[in-house]
Amino acid sequence: QQPVQSPQAVILREGEDAVINCSSSKALYSVHWYRQKHGEAPVFLMILLKGGEQKGHDKISASFNEKKQQSSLYLTASQLSYSGTYFCGTQDSYSGAGSYQLTFGKGTKLSVIP
Amino acid sequence: DGGITQSPKYLFRKEGQNVTLSCEQNLNHDAMYWYRQDPGQGLRLIYYSQIVNDFQKGDIAEGYSVSREKKESFPLTVTSAQKNPTAFYLCASSIVAGYLYEQYFGPGTRLTVT
Repeated sequence: QQPVQSPQAVILREGEDAVINCSSSKALYSVHWYRQKHGEAPVFLMILLKGGEQKGHDKISASFNEKKQQSSLYLTASQLSYSGTYFCGTQDSYSGAGSYQLTFGKGTKLSVIP
Repeated sequence: DGGITQSPKYLFRKEGQNVTLSCEQNLNHDAMYWYRQDPGQGLRLIYYSQIVNDFQKGDIAEGYSVSREKKESFPLTVTSAQKNPTAFYLCASSIVAGYLYEQYFGPGTRLTVT
């Protein structure tokens, strides 16, 4: 079952902030975040693990609420280059670390305008 | 430079024909994945492989087949049994050690079947 992302789309002016949410009905082991520009490959942004470990780019921040099975990606002081579609991918706790299967949400389209 | 190569970028086929999409990686990654992307649907997992000569079905494996004879190669065959094969296909790879692993994506192949 796909995680649910919200909002589906958002338009920002340069310098504004945005939050993208990812919610699952399953107990999660990890949440991954990727950004994809039109017609290109998705690019890794962040991984958050159950228990608090995380890995990602310095300019990106995210949170993982294990109790609520929710993750949020925080985009601050947005730049034109932040435009694209953001996907969360989840790994459920049942499969655990032994399975490398991710289930992706439908994406959040972010447009940053001057 | 290390990375993932998918070829061709665009592929056109007639209905009823099988077609094989190429995916090669020189990142020395053990795991490889195939995703299908349709507008507004996010990425859906077709097949994945964590080791040579072994692979598992993802969420939408019907009508597709794969092989993993070499660590660096994971070709996907779209068979005539796939009812709606027109889509953007993405190949990815990752390590399998530890938990903080990101997936690296290739540039994709856009398949059109008429």
